[in-house]
Amino acid sequence: AQSVTQLGSHVSVSEGALVLLRCNYSSSVPPYLFWYVQYPNQGLQLLLKYTTGATLVKGINGFEAEFKKSETSFHLTKPSAHMSDAAEYFCAVIPYGNNRLAFGKGNQVVVIP
Amino acid sequence: DVKVTQSSRYLVKRTGEKVFLECVQDMDHENMFWYRQDPGLGLRLIYFSYDVKMKEKGDIPEGYSVSREKKERFSLILESASTNQTSMYLCASSFSGTKDNEQFFGPGTRLTVL
Repeated sequence: AQSVTQLGSHVSVSEGALVLLRCNYSSSVPPYLFWYVQYPNQGLQLLLKYTTGATLVKGINGFEAEFKKSETSFHLTKPSAHMSDAAEYFCAVIPYGNNRLAFGKGNQVVVIP
Repeated sequence: DVKVTQSSRYLVKRTGEKVFLECVQDMDHENMFWYRQDPGLGLRLIYFSYDVKMKEKGDIPEGYSVSREKKERFSLILESASTNQTSMYLCASSFSGTKDNEQFFGPGTRLTVL
């Protein structure tokens, strides 16, 4: 079974600073990878996804993530944090040929003015 | 745009009550899912369905059942609600025809059991 590791349940970042959220996965087959964002009292919204092709993926709101197969990682970054980025972020994996998402435990991002 | 709706945003029930959570999607998706979300635990899969009248247990099915009589609707049932079922419940759907099976989520139902 696949598992997803997100370190640091709460992440504080200053406004204008780099946002870096780490995601590592274990999968016996090539996976599809996702980052979702959840704003307060809302459902999950897709930020970006990797399926095939270019390993650097750009998403909404200035976020991007890079798939590194050798490191089994899919870290999420944004060069400059904005107050509106305060939310919970989830990394998720679906192995090829599967239809069940495995989620990490999430990172609650706080942006400090 | 895909739309997944859930019947209630907030629900308060008493211990022992039978609770129905309804989810409807409008994009003709084959797959539908129910998750619960708890702080520090992320999202955990309760049940999913890949076709009408078909269901499979997820990681935490105990205390729950589901019903899928129509393709667009997937119901989660708590036969006898307990306080440890107080949680946020999220429904999702996906299309089997795409290779990545991206899931689309509803807004969630925050259930409190007293």
